[in-house]
Amino acid sequence: GAGVSQSPSNKVTEKGKDVELRCDPISGHTALYWYRQSLGQGLEFLIYFQGNSAPDKSGLPSDRFSAERTGGSVSTLTIQRTQQEDSAVYLCASSSRDSSYEQYFGPGTRLTVT
Amino acid sequence: GNSVTQMEGPVTLSEEAFLTINCTYTATGYPSLFWYVQYPGEGLQLLLKATKADDKGSNKGFEATYRKETTSFHLEKGSVQVSDSAVYFCALLMDTGRRALTFGSGTRLQVQP
Repeated sequence: GAGVSQSPSNKVTEKGKDVELRCDPISGHTALYWYRQSLGQGLEFLIYFQGNSAPDKSGLPSDRFSAERTGGSVSTLTIQRTQQEDSAVYLCASSSRDSSYEQYFGPGTRLTVT
Repeated sequence: GNSVTQMEGPVTLSEEAFLTINCTYTATGYPSLFWYVQYPGEGLQLLLKATKADDKGSNKGFEATYRKETTSFHLEKGSVQVSDSAVYFCALLMDTGRRALTFGSGTRLQVQP
């Protein structure tokens, strides 16, 4: 079946602009995660959605970052007033209880802030 | 907090050499442990996992044993191939609280023919 998909695959933006990154999880997966992969910080957790529960936002690096998940499926990660240090690959993953919460990753969105 | 420590890379080996990538963890409780692999230009893929002490995960000739007494989950392969060249990430997942993976810094493996 279809895996996790993310769009766009690449995004170049100017410092100070807002960006939106999209994630389509595997159908039926109740949990959705955003991670960031950058040269200096490795792979970092950003935010976690589980069903209808309030999201765990404890990994978001600043209040410029926000995410939402509509209808328990698609998620959007928004970065406001982008900075050069936001340049990274943003990864989305999804999981379900049926798969023992094994996380399946999307291909990522490479964000470059100029 | 929880953390994962991996050996620094890059690791450069000749084809058919034996591979070990060390991974140790710190966690309050009993995590599940994973190895993920990222091939050049591709996304993260689960390579193998172990959910409790003494379990051995295995896949594609790779193995790792969950050692609670040494808090380790070292990745091994008896004979590497050029196609194994990739970045390998060790990770842990707690079964309570935040169900997000905590990753090590990754180890780049380069296999030369």
